Amino acid sequence: AQSVTQLGSHVSVSEGALVLLRCNYSSSVPPYLFWYVQYPNQGLQLLLKYTSAATLVKGINGFEAEFKKSETSFHLTKPSAHMSDAAEYFCAVSDSNTGKLIFGQGTTLQVKP
Amino acid sequence: DVKVTQSSRYLVKRTGEKVFLECVQDMDHENMFWYRQDPGLGLRLIYFSYDVKMKEKGDIPEGYSVSREKKERFSLILESASTNQTSMYLCASSLLSGSLTGELFFGEGSRLTVL
Repeated sequence: AQSVTQLGSHVSVSEGALVLLRCNYSSSVPPYLFWYVQYPNQGLQLLLKYTSAATLVKGINGFEAEFKKSETSFHLTKPSAHMSDAAEYFCAVSDSNTGKLIFGQGTTLQVKP
Repeated sequence: DVKVTQSSRYLVKRTGEKVFLECVQDMDHENMFWYRQDPGLGLRLIYFSYDVKMKEKGDIPEGYSVSREKKERFSLILESASTNQTSMYLCASSLLSGSLTGELFFGEGSRLTVL
């Protein structure tokens, strides 16, 4: 069965610094992988997704993620953090049998001025 | 834009009360989902539905039921609320093909407190 692990429940960066949020997955078949973002007091919205095309995926708001099969990773990065990036980020994998999304535990990103 | 509307943003109920959480989507999506969100646990699927009057259990269905009488509406029911059901509840919808590509559209959530 597929699963997702997000390393670090809280990440703090300074404004303008690199953002790196880690996600590792387990899957016996090529996975569909996703990053969702949840701003305070809002629902989740899709940030980007990997569906077996290009391994480097670009999303909204300057975020991107790279699928690395050898490392079973799908880490999220942004070159320069902005205060508005403060939110909770969820990595997810699509269950190949049911199509259901399996979410990681979430990582809260804090951006300091 | 797809809009998923959850009827109540904040609810406070007492132990043993029956609780209804309503969710409506306006884009004719086939799939609808109810998740529970708790700190450190991420999102856990309670129930989902691929069609009207159809429902399937997710990972944590105990203590919950659902109803989907119309395509656009998916209700979550707590027959007898308990304090361990205090949580944030998120409704989501997707096109049938979206269930495999992960493009879920979420409502803003309903934060339930059971006293």
